[in-house]
Amino acid sequence: AMTQTPLSLAVAPGQPASISCKSSQSLLHTDAKTYLYWYLQKADQSPQLLIYEVSNRFSGVPDRFSGSGSGTDFTLKISRVEAEDLGVYYCMQTLQHPYTFGQGTKLEIK
Amino acid sequence: EVQLLESGGGLVQPGGSLRLSCAASGFTFHNYALSWVRQAPGKGLEWVSIITGNGGSTYSADSVKGRFTISRDNSKNTVYLQMNSLRAQDTAVYYCAKHRDWLGDYIDYWGQGTRVTVSS
Repeated sequence: AMTQTPLSLAVAPGQPASISCKSSQSLLHTDAKTYLYWYLQKADQSPQLLIYEVSNRFSGVPDRFSGSGSGTDFTLKISRVEAEDLGVYYCMQTLQHPYTFGQGTKLEIK
Repeated sequence: EVQLLESGGGLVQPGGSLRLSCAASGFTFHNYALSWVRQAPGKGLEWVSIITGNGGSTYSADSVKGRFTISRDNSKNTVYLQMNSLRAQDTAVYYCAKHRDWLGDYIDYWGQGTRVTVSS
């Protein structure tokens, strides 16, 4: 199971934001990779990949997004929130089947 | 440019069947695993099923096991989701999603989704 906190947060533009994702088991594989990813789903859009393997930004993702963590505890941080960042953020694990998502964290702009 | 175009959604009665299709382009189809992920109205994302690049392995969520079957036709660059014994709780937008490699790993691209409504 993947547990995200908080489930919602409101942040003023220019301020930082942080989302936590905890897994019920370690997501570190014997191949030394950690199978934890972050997605953003904007309103009426499909999800889009932000971060892969805990801390790697996907192509085109602004450097204000960063991921960290290990084992079972992970964090997505936005250094300075912009209006275009609103939406629902999901963590996801693909270490084993069934793949699972966190419940989602809704980011609103103050 | 990677494109995933879902089709086949619609209104179906409980107990009925539906087959979703996802036509892919912009990448070497047989080299990548594909999944179906769904999102019930106002809810979060739920992974449904995956098929490896060569179609040799499939896995499904417990909620759909025995009712849904994923398959692919690499000659047509298309992945399918056969959905039988549909229930009201299967009502959702169904997304086709491409994985990073032939086995699975992370999802790097998503389709726009097709809506399935199960209701009498």
